[in-house]
Amino acid sequence: AQSVTQLDSHVSVSEGTPVLLRCNYSSSYSPSLFWYVQHPNKGLQLLLKYTSAATLVKGINGFEAEFKKSETSFHLTKPSAHMSDAAEYFCVVSSRGSNYKLTFGKGTLLTVNP
Amino acid sequence: EAGVTQSPTHLIKTRGQQVTLRCSPISGHTSVYWYQQALGLGLQFLLWYDEGEERNRGNFPPRFSGRQFPNYSSELNVNALELEDSALYLCASSLGLAGDTLPVFGPGTRLTVL
Repeated sequence: AQSVTQLDSHVSVSEGTPVLLRCNYSSSYSPSLFWYVQHPNKGLQLLLKYTSAATLVKGINGFEAEFKKSETSFHLTKPSAHMSDAAEYFCVVSSRGSNYKLTFGKGTLLTVNP
Repeated sequence: EAGVTQSPTHLIKTRGQQVTLRCSPISGHTSVYWYQQALGLGLQFLLWYDEGEERNRGNFPPRFSGRQFPNYSSELNVNALELEDSALYLCASSLGLAGDTLPVFGPGTRLTVL
């Protein structure tokens, strides 16, 4: 079985300040982990993925995430928020044990204030 | 390269009716996934088709069904529509197992049930 928990349903930051979106996962097998972003009235776009290579993963638009097995976490960070980062972010887990089904977290809405 | 396309973009139905949603994957992708994104419930996995066969199914009643055609396009059928079926239905495609390839999402079909 696998699951993912996004610890904050809503995060609000000021433009230019760091972003931290938290994600914890559970998986009986070695997981693949993803972060997707969904802008209003748009589809889902892949930000970055972890598939058992380097634990620090760099994605698009300056985002990165670190896989920490001991903490079962895969938090998403960005050093400096931009207005265009305002969107909903989904942490996703996939593993052989769930026949590679993607399991989504409930999402974190990021608001960026001017 | 064309992305994942879905049709229609919007749909309004009444309770008890039936609906068919369509998805065309990226050329060369053999796997198609369907997800439901209902307000307040996040993304819920519906179905996964690969090479024309159903590979995995989420926790949805049998009135949700689908199929994949020889050209890898897919249909999602929902019978006896209920109000709670109102949601954004997202289709994604990939080369195969989600752990090895990146699912690419389409823009979705917004279904409203009155």
